[in-house]
Amino acid sequence: KQEVTQIPAALSVPEGENLVLNCSFTDSAIYNLQWFRQDPGKGLTSLLLIQSSQREQTSGRLNASLDKSSGRSTLYIAASQPGDSATYLCAVRGNTPLVFGKGTRLSVIA
Amino acid sequence: GAVVSQHPSRVICKSGTSVKIECRSLDFQATTMFWYRQFPKQSLMLMATSNEGSKATYEQGVEKDKFLINHASLTLSTLTVTSAHPEDSSFYICSAPAAAGSYEQYFGPGTRLTVT
Repeated sequence: KQEVTQIPAALSVPEGENLVLNCSFTDSAIYNLQWFRQDPGKGLTSLLLIQSSQREQTSGRLNASLDKSSGRSTLYIAASQPGDSATYLCAVRGNTPLVFGKGTRLSVIA
Repeated sequence: GAVVSQHPSRVICKSGTSVKIECRSLDFQATTMFWYRQFPKQSLMLMATSNEGSKATYEQGVEKDKFLINHASLTLSTLTVTSAHPEDSSFYICSAPAAAGSYEQYFGPGTRLTVT
C-alpha cells in the first residue's frame, strides 16, 4: 500500500528565504506526483504535476523535483513571501487514485 | 483546464439527518469520480470511487450504507451522508480524472459539513 510522508510537518521562515519541502513515497511504481497548496478551510490548488518520466517541473518561484527510483520529491520555493503561507500537500498517482501526504504547514513571516 | 464543481460549499445539519453533496464535471465527462474526506489538520483520505452506471467501490473502513454514492450521469456524482453524526463533520472533496484513462485528477472546491 502506497504511503506518502512529508517532512517537516510545519515550517516557519522569515520572508525572503529559500526553502525546501520534502516528500517521500514507499512504492516507486507511480504515474505522476503532484504538489498542491491548501489554504485554511479551502480546497486544493494544483501547483506542479511531474510525470514519472520527468525529473522536475518549474512554475515561477516553484521548482519540484522527482527521483522516482528513491521515492523522493522536493518542492523548492524561492524568495518566500507571506502570501506563500499555506499547507503544501504532496500526492502520488499509481494504480490507485492520488494518495496524499499529511502536508507541510508553512508560515512565512514578514 | 477542466473544472469540477461541488454543491453545497458549506452545510450544517442536525444529527440524524441526511445530507447530499453533488460533484459535477463542468466541461468534460467523467465515468469515474473519487470522493475524499479530510479531517482537521489531516490529509485527504480516499473514501470511495464512483463509477457511472455501476456500484461504487469503497475503501476499507468506509461504510457503504452510511455514505451512499450515486453516479447517474457522465457529469454528476452524489455523496449522501445518511443519519449524520458529529463525527461525520469533515471536509469532503471530489475529484475526477482529466480524461478517460488519464492519471491526472482535477479537484472540486470541497464541501464543509458540520453536524450539530
